[in-house]
This record gives sequence, C-alpha cells and structure tokens, in this order.
Amino acid sequence: QQQLQESGPGLVKPSETLSLTCSVSGGSISSSDNYWGWIRQPPGKGLEWIGSIYNTGTTYYNPSLKSRVTISIDTSKNQFSLKVNSVTAADTAVFYCASGNIYDKWGQGTLVTVSS
Amino acid sequence: EIVMTQSPATLSVSPGERATLSCRASHSVNSDLAWYQQKPGQAPRLLLYGESTRAADIPARFSGSGSGTEFTLTISSLQSEDFAVYYCQQYNSWPLTFGGGTKVEIK
Repeated sequence: QQQLQESGPGLVKPSETLSLTCSVSGGSISSSDNYWGWIRQPPGKGLEWIGSIYNTGTTYYNPSLKSRVTISIDTSKNQFSLKVNSVTAADTAVFYCASGNIYDKWGQGTLVTVSS
Repeated sequence: EIVMTQSPATLSVSPGERATLSCRASHSVNSDLAWYQQKPGQAPRLLLYGESTRAADIPARFSGSGSGTEFTLTISSLQSEDFAVYYCQQYNSWPLTFGGGTKVEIK
C-alpha cells in the first residue's frame, strides 16, 4: 500500500524559502507511470494546486505561483520536494503531497506558518 | 486556466435526505473530473473520478453525473459521517484546478 509523508520546517520567516519533502513508501517513485503533486490549503480555505512532477522530471506549475515554486524528484531516495521562494504570510497553509493527477493517495499534510 | 465553480457554498441537509452538489467548469473538461470529501483536520479523500467511477471503498450512496462543463455529486441518503466539505477538481488540462468547495452541514 503506497503511503506518502510530508516533512519540513513548520515555521519559515518572511522572504525566506519554504522547503518540504514528500517521502513515498510502498513502491518505487520511478516505477509507476505517475505524476506526483503538491497542494496547499490556507487555514479555513479551499484547496489550491501548486504543481506536479512526472517521474522523468517534467514539471507543471500553477501560474499564480510559478515564479516562486520549484518541484524536484529524487528517485534514489524515493522522494519529491517543493521549494517556495520569497514567502509571505499569505503562504501560510497546510501543504499536502499526493499521488497522480487524480489524487487517490495523500500525505497527512503539514502546517507551514510564515512568521517572523 | 479552467475555473471550477461549486454551488451552493453551504448545503443544510437532514440525515437520511438526499444531497445534490454542483460543479461547473469554465471550459469543457470532458469527463476528467474528480470529487473529494474533506473532514476537519484530515486530508481530502477521493470519492469519484471520470465523472462517475467510485474510488476504492466508497459507498454506493455517492454517485456522480455530467460531462463537459456541468457536473453533479449526489449523496442519496446522508449518513452522519457524510457531513463534510466536498471539492471538485478537473484534471483535463494544466493547470489542475479545484472548485471552492461545498460544505454539507446538518440541518
């Protein structure tokens, strides 16, 4: 059974870079014909797609975040990662990693707060 | 970008009643639409995709219909565990987009 788990700092200072990693267990990240995605949810608000990466490294990003976001994949570690540059308080959210484009597997989510 | 609009924002329903949730796409997404359920403090759970295919372990009281730009999620007889927020999502084209959600609350 495939499982995903987000990890990273829960507190980031304004103007700094938010970095999160999603560890995939129960299968190889490179063996399945699959996309891997990041979604965020500000407190009390709806879901926002951040971006996706294919296991070849091809990426797709939300245009509203594209200039600040990088998603990468490390098949040797069975992980994929998210970086968001120049964060502000508006980036405070629960960040989820998920499998596919139809998200049938999600991580539990991790709250990242942007504050000095 | 395809904008997904859900209505109503909040739906008040009594247990045992039928709930009908709507999702509209600004451009056709064919049948490339998924529905998710989210409860407080939990990650979303996939309910339906491809317009009407139920995900694993999803009860038959959840059904979907529609194609193109108009979609409906129907919960035939609401159970206590169904009170939650529901989101639609199109996966027809990049960027992927979610609707704003419909909260189903107890009447």
